[in-house]
Amino acid sequence: DVKVTQSSRYLVKRTGEKVFLECVQDMDHENMFWYRQDPGLGLRLIYFSYDVKMKEKGDIPEGYSVSREKKERFSLILESASTNQTSMYLCASSILRDRVFTEAFFGQGTRLTVV
Amino acid sequence: AQKVTQAQTEISVVEKEDVTLDCVYETRDTTYYLFWYKQPPSGELVFLIRRNSFDEQNEISGRYSWNFQKSTSSFNFTITASQVVDSAVYFCALWGHSNYQLIWGAGTKLIIKP
Repeated sequence: DVKVTQSSRYLVKRTGEKVFLECVQDMDHENMFWYRQDPGLGLRLIYFSYDVKMKEKGDIPEGYSVSREKKERFSLILESASTNQTSMYLCASSILRDRVFTEAFFGQGTRLTVV
Repeated sequence: AQKVTQAQTEISVVEKEDVTLDCVYETRDTTYYLFWYKQPPSGELVFLIRRNSFDEQNEISGRYSWNFQKSTSSFNFTITASQVVDSAVYFCALWGHSNYQLIWGAGTKLIIKP
């Protein structure tokens, strides 16, 4: 089974802290994604990566950065956490087969609270 | 622009009732894919189905069925004889060739009461 593992289920951080959310997948997928989930807004794409060291901005990249030094690991960084970044963060991975998106596999989510 | 609308924010039914979750999409792509995901209380999204734009056949998997109608741009999901374990948030999503991103609906929270 494909496994996408996020380093923490729950995290509480202080305003202004630098926060690292880690995600590891074990299926050699090229594509990895970071989403933010808020009630009534569905999933919003923050960043995605289609290869090592490659990254693309999603819909809401402001206040975030990412790092993909190895294929299996995709990190989301909150440079200076703010209370409006309190949310559920979801990591996903997928492959493109013949340039067609297949299914995405998700981690269990990290619920981040910024106080 | 691409968009997915799940107009039902929350649905509550009694166990064993049938329930339909609506999904309406907008896209200018001729080739696109539609997805349904389930998010149980544990939080992890679980893939349910993918349907491509050229295949309008309805799909049935056990108690789950999907009705894809291009004429109305809808991809509705029906659970027959619902069970308490079906309680979850269900998301509909769209992927098109033009932007290589999944576009998500806001989700429908389904509550099945015993």
